[in-house]
Amino acid sequence: DIVMTQSPLSLPVTPGEPASISCRSSQSLLHSNGYIYLDWYLQKPGRSPQLLIFLGSNRASGVPDRFSGSGSGTDYTLKISRVEAEDAGVYYCMQALQVPRTFGQGTKLEIK
Amino acid sequence: EIQLLESGGGLVQPGGSLRLSCAASGFTFKSYWMNWVRQAPGKGLEWVAAIKEDGSDRKYADSVKGRFFISRDNTKNSMDLQMNSLRVDDTAFYYCTREAHVQGPVRPFDPWGQGTLVTVSS
Repeated sequence: DIVMTQSPLSLPVTPGEPASISCRSSQSLLHSNGYIYLDWYLQKPGRSPQLLIFLGSNRASGVPDRFSGSGSGTDYTLKISRVEAEDAGVYYCMQALQVPRTFGQGTKLEIK
Repeated sequence: EIQLLESGGGLVQPGGSLRLSCAASGFTFKSYWMNWVRQAPGKGLEWVAAIKEDGSDRKYADSVKGRFFISRDNTKNSMDLQMNSLRVDDTAFYYCTREAHVQGPVRPFDPWGQGTLVTVSS
């Protein structure tokens, strides 16, 4: 199975400040078809997860442009340019290259 | 509006069985792979099972293989998860989710249902 490792696991951020979450995979998520099989999800408190980013860098419908994803190979990053209070929750990366799909441990973003 | 609504969760003793259901609406259900993902209370996400559009292919996590069975009824826009020989560590919120058609062969999970809680305890 592909192991996904996120850091940090806890991230306190002041509103208006940037935030960055790292995700590393145990093998490259670049498929031979040229697509990167890496998604980011946000689970707000008491809610089910929601898709933020797919293909490593494509924002899902309705996701604000302050969210951006980047990376290649085994190293990926989710960035929030200016954190807002509504961004609080747990962020997960997930690889979709192989079955079983596997998730990172989650990064809890806390608003200071 | 696309909706996924899980039901069937509850309290069951170790070794018991439970059947979860997911009712889909707002999209052409028969055109999508569907999945179950679970989350133990206070823990992270774990993929459980997936089923192809026409039900002809099924995939399972090793942790549930041989105990859980995923099925779907495209005439009723629904998917089920039959869970047998339940263990304490199967306790979790179980989410139904769709593999969305976003670009090429890529299929992220979107949307997710609200989840149903399964508690395995004596």
